[in-house]
Amino acid sequence: EDKVVQSPLSLVVHEGDTVTLNCSYEVTNFRSLLWYKQEKKAPTFLFMLTSSGIEKKSGRLSSILDKKELFSILNITATQTGDSAIYLCAVEAVYTGANSKLTFGKGITLSVRP
Amino acid sequence: KAGVTQTPRYLIKTRGQQVTLSCSPISGHRSVSWYQQTPGQGLQFLFEYFSETQRNKGNFPGRFSGRQFSNSRSEMNVSTLELGDSALYLCASSLAPPWAGGSYNEQFFGPGTRLTVL
Repeated sequence: EDKVVQSPLSLVVHEGDTVTLNCSYEVTNFRSLLWYKQEKKAPTFLFMLTSSGIEKKSGRLSSILDKKELFSILNITATQTGDSAIYLCAVEAVYTGANSKLTFGKGITLSVRP
Repeated sequence: KAGVTQTPRYLIKTRGQQVTLSCSPISGHRSVSWYQQTPGQGLQFLFEYFSETQRNKGNFPGRFSGRQFSNSRSEMNVSTLELGDSALYLCASSLAPPWAGGSYNEQFFGPGTRLTVL
């Protein structure tokens, strides 16, 4: 059974801090790893990673994948209160033919205090 | 362009009842996936529909079912509700599933339906 584990489950930081969110996985037939931000209800897409060692960056957020060690990290620098959210990691795995599906971790709740 | 819409947004039911949730995808999107989100289990895949056919299914009991209409709108039904079915039900739409040329990075989520079973 595919497994995605995120850590820590929650953390509290102060504005301006840098945070690193972790995601490790055990899946058969890995295709991609995705990060989402969920503020109120609808998760919104942040990054999709398919290749090891290539950093994806968007403003203060960046992410990298290590396919050998089976993990990814999401970094947020100079955190702001608007970064407070649940961060979800999901892994896409192929299971029959070209069919694939996402397995999600339980999410990391980040609280940024002013 | 309007986003994914889900109705109702909140629902309270009692054990043993059944419920139907609705999802209207972004215009032009033909793939709809459903997910259940609970604090204990996180976000879990329920099923995926494309061109009115269920293409993919998660590990949920047969009480959970769904369908997709010719306009790509989708409904999911849960029969004989149990307390453990209390959750946020999210749907997500995309132009097509990955096997048909789509990609999960082009999948957009709706705001969800919060179901409470008493």
